[in-house]
Amino acid sequence: AQTVTQSQPEMSVQEAETVTLSCTYDTSESDYYLFWYKQPPSRQMILVIRQEAYKQQNATENRFSVNFQKAAKSFSLKISDSQLGDAAMYFCAYKGIKAAGNKLTFGGGTRVLVKP
Amino acid sequence: DAMVIQNPRYQVTQFGKPVTLSCSQTLNHNVMYWYQQKSSQAPKLLFHYYDKDFNNEADTPDNFQSRRPNTSFCFLDIRSPGLGDAAMYLCATSRQGPITEAFFGQGTRLTVV
Repeated sequence: AQTVTQSQPEMSVQEAETVTLSCTYDTSESDYYLFWYKQPPSRQMILVIRQEAYKQQNATENRFSVNFQKAAKSFSLKISDSQLGDAAMYFCAYKGIKAAGNKLTFGGGTRVLVKP
Repeated sequence: DAMVIQNPRYQVTQFGKPVTLSCSQTLNHNVMYWYQQKSSQAPKLLFHYYDKDFNNEADTPDNFQSRRPNTSFCFLDIRSPGLGDAAMYLCATSRQGPITEAFFGQGTRLTVV
């Protein structure tokens, strides 16, 4: 079974600074997909960024970028120029291509606090 | 524009009294998921539908059931809620395919008294 681990329960960042969230996963599959989801307080979870495992190039979405290290099974998220609206729980998630219904397996989450 | 709508947002039920949570979607996605999320924990998949095909997770208690009468609606039934079932319940939808994005509702917070 696949597992996703986020080792940082909480991270604090100064507004306009950069923060990096860690994620490691365990899988025996060679093809899979990785995601970062953001869950703001009292609001629904939304997709931040996704990465196909077969792509070597790291995904980037505006201020959000990932560092995908397939051999190390590591998938970190970097938030640049942090804004107050970035404060939320961030979940790393895994989806294998063979999983029935393509289910998402989540890590335990990292709470990001943004200081003005 | 709300795309995945969960009702109610907050539900209080008595210990042992059956309760139903609902989810509707306007996205016409064929996959619908129910997750249980306890405080500051990862969402845990209970089950999901691919069209009308029901897929139960192996560790989902029998106390939890689901119905999907049509593409747009999906229900979570808790037959005899216990104190341990108090949690946020998240509904999500997606198109079939591993790269597809999951769209989540705002969740229903269930309190058991």
